[in-house]
Amino acid sequence: QKEVEQNSGPLSVPEGAIASLNCTYSDRGSQSFFWYRQYSGKSPELIMFIYSNGDKEDGRFTAQLNKASQYVSLLIRDSQPSDSATYLCAAITGANSKLTFGKGITLSVRP
Amino acid sequence: DTGVSQNPRHKITKRGQNVTFRCDPISEHNRLYWYRQTLGQGPEFLTYFQNEAQLEKSRLLSDRFSAERPKGSFSTLEIQRTEQGDSAMYLCASSWGFTGGDTEAFFGQGTRLTVV
Repeated sequence: QKEVEQNSGPLSVPEGAIASLNCTYSDRGSQSFFWYRQYSGKSPELIMFIYSNGDKEDGRFTAQLNKASQYVSLLIRDSQPSDSATYLCAAITGANSKLTFGKGITLSVRP
Repeated sequence: DTGVSQNPRHKITKRGQNVTFRCDPISEHNRLYWYRQTLGQGPEFLTYFQNEAQLEKSRLLSDRFSAERPKGSFSTLEIQRTEQGDSAMYLCASSWGFTGGDTEAFFGQGTRLTVV
C-alpha cells in the first residue's frame, strides 16, 4: 500500500462548481499535510498546508484534515478554468521531514 | 530572493554520458531536497541535506547518483553513465526546518532530463 493515495481521476467539473479532491495516508505518524498544484510541464506549486484536525480556509480553497480517518481533502469553490491542473497531496513522513506524494489527480474545469 | 532556482531547465544527453544539475535554494533555508518525477506520478524523494550534511538517501538513489551541498548553499546532483530509465523531471525543494517543527517546502522549476 502506498503511503499517500489519491483517487486517480481525472475529475471534471463545470465552471463555478465546487471541486472536491481527496487523499488518504497510511502512516499515523504523519503530522503535516500539503496540497500542491502542478500545471503540465511545470513544477509543483504550494497551495495550502494543514497540521490540525478540522478545516483551514484560504480564499477559494479549503483544506480538511481528519487524523482519525487518515483523510485529507481539498475543496475548491467557484472553480475556474485556470484551476485545471494536477493536484498533488503530500505528507511529511519520517525524521527528515521529507514529503511523500500521492500520484496526483487531474482536475479539468469546463467553461 | 526569487525562490528556488534550478539549472539547466532541460538537458538531453546520450546514454552513458554524465550529467550534473544545480539547485540554488532560498537563501535562508537550511533544508534541501531532491526529488524525481516521472510522467503520471508524484515526485519521489531522492536525498536530503540539512545545511551541508547529506542526512538521508533513498533506495532509489543508485551508486550512479551523487549529490553534494558544499558550504550548505547550492547543491549539485550528478548522474553518471546515464540510462534511458533516468529520463525524468528532477526537482529541488528547500525549506526552513528546526527541531520539532517544519515549514513548507518550495520547489524549483525542475530540470527535465531526456536520455536518448
